[in-house]
Amino acid sequence: GAGVSQSPSNKVTEKGKDVELRCDPISGHTALYWYRQSLGQGLEFLIYFQGNSAPDKSGLPSDRFSAERTGGSVSTLTIQRTQQEDSAVYLCASSQQYGLDTGELFFGEGSRLTVL
Amino acid sequence: DAKTTQPPSMDCAEGRAANLPCNHSTISGNEYVYWYRQIHSQGPQYIIHGLKNNETNEMASLIITEDRKSSTLILPHATLRDTAVYYCIVRAPPGGSGNTGKLIFGQGTTLQVKP
Repeated sequence: GAGVSQSPSNKVTEKGKDVELRCDPISGHTALYWYRQSLGQGLEFLIYFQGNSAPDKSGLPSDRFSAERTGGSVSTLTIQRTQQEDSAVYLCASSQQYGLDTGELFFGEGSRLTVL
Repeated sequence: DAKTTQPPSMDCAEGRAANLPCNHSTISGNEYVYWYRQIHSQGPQYIIHGLKNNETNEMASLIITEDRKSSTLILPHATLRDTAVYYCIVRAPPGGSGNTGKLIFGQGTTLQVKP
């Protein structure tokens, strides 16, 4: 019974480099969400997947941010040409949205990104 | 989704009940009240949710006023490990009217349980 798994747990990169963050949701969960949390701040919604499609990308802060999901499972969040303000913890969550909805999103432990 | 208002911080003595209030005066009829918490350096954790009836589980109790404009999360016997940021969120069920089920987090209440 694995939970939501995210990798890497920590990533340090130089300004201008591209980074990829990975999320493995709980098996069978059709919904997947990405959030980010800057130091001392609340959680900011980025994008929502239902299966492989993303009907809600309203939280992506710029066109440098993109995400995809394949096979209705693993998702990758890509940040191109990273900037120092991208430094944050990126959290992934999944939920089972068909059938009885408990409202429970299961969160991973996050990927801490530091842009130097 | 309706907004919520929570006090920024609260203290509670270990072993005593912690009562965390939340105002959601603009809640719609189909919106549920959810509580999550985030312990330092961890991902948020679901606690409990309800629509209009009071709810209880192994972690906490949720008391929703009859007009549904406010609620209180009760941790009956707070421990040091309950020190966390507690988020009150209102949300409609996913599916209808394009609801995605996403949770919109505010600043929450930082609960400090003291020995």
